[in-house]
Amino acid sequence: DTGVSQNPRHKITKRGQNVTFRCDPISEHNRLYWYRQTLGQGPEFLTYFQNEAQLEKSRLLSDRFSAERPKGSFSTLEIQRTEQGDSAMYLCASRGANTGELFFGEGSRLTVL
Amino acid sequence: DQQVKQNSPSLSVQEGRISILNCDYTNSMFDYFLWYKKYPAEGPTFLISISSIKDKNEDGRFTVFLNKSAKHLSLHIVPSQPGDSAVYFCAASARKTSYDKVIFGPGTSLSVIP
Repeated sequence: DTGVSQNPRHKITKRGQNVTFRCDPISEHNRLYWYRQTLGQGPEFLTYFQNEAQLEKSRLLSDRFSAERPKGSFSTLEIQRTEQGDSAMYLCASRGANTGELFFGEGSRLTVL
Repeated sequence: DQQVKQNSPSLSVQEGRISILNCDYTNSMFDYFLWYKKYPAEGPTFLISISSIKDKNEDGRFTVFLNKSAKHLSLHIVPSQPGDSAVYFCAASARKTSYDKVIFGPGTSLSVIP
């Protein structure tokens, strides 16, 4: 399977704990995106990488959120000191330089108790 | 501010009839538009796209129409099938800018009734 892979698929944590999600994009794609989706809403843009460079971060991304793509391949999204409001589906997507559409992974669902 | 709007949260259509999903945008820099379909517990999957240099793009049962002057696009599905029941997201990007963040609308939940 050469699609976008995300893990874990589901994470349940207690408030105040740190969590990390991983995304493996389609191998030849140099652009990688993180989105957050809550019930009844569309995917909300969080951040975007071109190769290893993080080109933009949304104002939604507080100081507790950090994303990396150290070698321009896989990416991680870490949330520190989780809050109940962080409960959401975290979606990763990738696309190539010459294609328009984003290819999404199946998402990582975070539940903060 | 919501740059991509889908004002109908839900839509019900009889099997075999046409489904029309609407989308409006506010940012005149947007030049590339996409439609995605999402089933529960899955990531969105790409359906069809259109560049701002066109006003129509067709792929099988799916056709997207773009009216740039009205900043409006629509997705037509004909004939509608029960398997089309899903949430549909409209998305837009400004590819001619130096970066291409893709902005999504809130979605329309389509139910196709057998």
